[in-house]
Amino acid sequence: AQSVSQHNHHVILSEAASLELGCNYSYGGTVNLFWYVQYPGQHLQLLLKYFSGDPLVKGIKGFEAEFIKSKFSFNLRKPSVQWSDTAEYFCAEDTGRRALTFGSGTRLQVQP
Amino acid sequence: KAGVTQTPRYLIKTRGQQVTLSCSPISGHRSVSWYQQTPGQGLQFLFEYFSETQRNKGNFPGRFSGRQFSNSRSEMNVSTLELGDSALYLCASSPDTGELFFGEGSRLTVL
Repeated sequence: AQSVSQHNHHVILSEAASLELGCNYSYGGTVNLFWYVQYPGQHLQLLLKYFSGDPLVKGIKGFEAEFIKSKFSFNLRKPSVQWSDTAEYFCAEDTGRRALTFGSGTRLQVQP
Repeated sequence: KAGVTQTPRYLIKTRGQQVTLSCSPISGHRSVSWYQQTPGQGLQFLFEYFSETQRNKGNFPGRFSGRQFSNSRSEMNVSTLELGDSALYLCASSPDTGELFFGEGSRLTVL
């Protein structure tokens, strides 16, 4: 069965610090990858997606992620976080079955 | 454009009862999928519908079922509720490009 691993369960950063959240997927074939964010009290929103092409994808709010096939990784990055980035972040894969497999999530807390 | 609308937002049921949750997708989206979110198991795929046909089903017991109507609206039903069914049930619609747009969810509490 496919699985997605997010190794950082809870991350605490100060404003302006750089962010990198790890995500590893297991599927060895063609895969679509996503990062979703859930702000407190809000619904899941798409941050960015990778379907094919340039392995460095840029999303909303200054986030980017790099697809490294050899490492089965799709890490999320942001050069400088803001207090408003406090949220839970989910990595997900779709192996073409139109059924996302989500990671367990990383709770990011940004301190002002 | 209106987002994905789920009703009801909150509900409380007792063990053994059944529940029906409703989802209205974004206009033009023909794919609707359902996910269960719990603190212990995280986000888990339930099923996906496209043009009234179930295309995929997750690893949930037969007590969990769903359907999609000709206007793409979808319902999911859980029969014989158990305490462990307490969760946030999320509906997502897709223009069939692979990316999902989620609703705010229906929070079910089973007592």
